Amino acid sequence: NAGVTQTPKFRVLKTGQSMTLLCAQDMNHEYMYWYRQDPGMGLRLIHYSVGEGTTAKGEVPDGYNVSRLKKQNFLLGLESAAPSQTSVYFCASSPYRGPFSGANVLTFGAGSRLTVL
Amino acid sequence: GQQLNQSPQSMFIQEGEDVSMNCTSSSIFNTWLWYKQEPGEGPVLLIALYKAGELTSNGRLTAQFGITRKDSFLNISASIPSDVGIYFCAGQGSNYQLIWGAGTKLIIKP
Repeated sequence: NAGVTQTPKFRVLKTGQSMTLLCAQDMNHEYMYWYRQDPGMGLRLIHYSVGEGTTAKGEVPDGYNVSRLKKQNFLLGLESAAPSQTSVYFCASSPYRGPFSGANVLTFGAGSRLTVL
Repeated sequence: GQQLNQSPQSMFIQEGEDVSMNCTSSSIFNTWLWYKQEPGEGPVLLIALYKAGELTSNGRLTAQFGITRKDSFLNISASIPSDVGIYFCAGQGSNYQLIWGAGTKLIIKP
């Protein structure tokens, strides 16, 4: 199994350009997440999805949009990139949530490094 | 909002030494997760904890869910070079959102 696959791995954009990051998971997980990671700040949740056709805002959603048209795919879009969006972006998925063993465990992709000039 | 403090921020250790790191929260968590991230990769789960007081091992790694439900620690015994990386804790509260620590960077002294 591939697990969680992110494309592209690297991208350089100019300010104002748009792009889409693709995340695909082959584990039939219900929940999918987009995080950004900046030095010394850990992981911050951008948007997440609790199932096909649903999306919700996380901690830092401004400047990003997402779509989950198919259960296995979760897309992250930047409509007008800004230098503050230079970061490493991680997609993750989990099968279910709850206060019981095995819940809430996220499987991460390898990351997409985005530089906005 | 909920905050999670992870310490230390970084550690320089000799091969063979034991390592200890911890996370404390301003509020109660129902789940604690410990992840490791190596350069150029995404975080990988090490240990998951679901009950207050729970002590779980994974090889040389041991993690505990604090009795107060506001803290957790991770110990690594007899460190080896492949232990280098960034270790993250994450806690989950009643709203099912994970809160992440800023990470502990483990560096082996040459």
